[in-house]
Amino acid sequence: DGGITQSPKYLFRKEGQNVTLSCEQNLNHDAMYWYRQDPGQGLRLIYYSQIVNDFQKGDIAEGYSVSREKKESFPLTVTSAQKNPTAFYLCASTFADRASTDTQYFGPGTRLTVL
Amino acid sequence: AQSVTQLGSHVSVSEGALVLLRCNYSSSVPPYLFWYVQYPNQGLQLLLKYTSAATLVKGINGFEAEFKKSETSFHLTKPSAHMSDAAEYFCAVSDTPDSSASKIIFGSGTRLSIRP
Repeated sequence: DGGITQSPKYLFRKEGQNVTLSCEQNLNHDAMYWYRQDPGQGLRLIYYSQIVNDFQKGDIAEGYSVSREKKESFPLTVTSAQKNPTAFYLCASTFADRASTDTQYFGPGTRLTVL
Repeated sequence: AQSVTQLGSHVSVSEGALVLLRCNYSSSVPPYLFWYVQYPNQGLQLLLKYTSAATLVKGINGFEAEFKKSETSFHLTKPSAHMSDAAEYFCAVSDTPDSSASKIIFGSGTRLSIRP
């Protein structure tokens, strides 16, 4: 089955720790995205990548980092510099040449809680 | 820059009643518009999208939306609500659809509750 997987589903972090959220897709999509979702605020774009070894900051990139070493994978690291990381994180992908008009496919999300 | 505004963060309707979720957009170019649905603790799923082919767009689960340029609106409707429709719904617009480096801008979401 083709799709996007995110792991873990739930993640707990102590203050001052870095954590990495996994996102893998087998849809052969070029473009991948990371969103943060907070209640009442919709989805906000953190980072996106349209090709391997290249990525761009979204609207709220501070305190986050990403890598895109493989087409299938786009891990997100939440660093200790992110002051309020507790949120629901969603990964999505689509074809890069139709990124603005085609469907974005979403993973099931990771809920991060800072203790 | 493009943006979307969803009117009403929470809508409650009775089972069998009409569902109407409102979305207004702002765009300097002909927009591409989307409605996504999110069930609790899950990712988003596309309901339907407008890409200028037809102003009335039919989607999955009996939903449809009408693009009205004069009103800059793309409201989502369903004639008869079902309990399984309870979810959060997001309207979205494409940022600069003629560019390969574009993004999707999401609204803040509307939570739909269904009363038995």
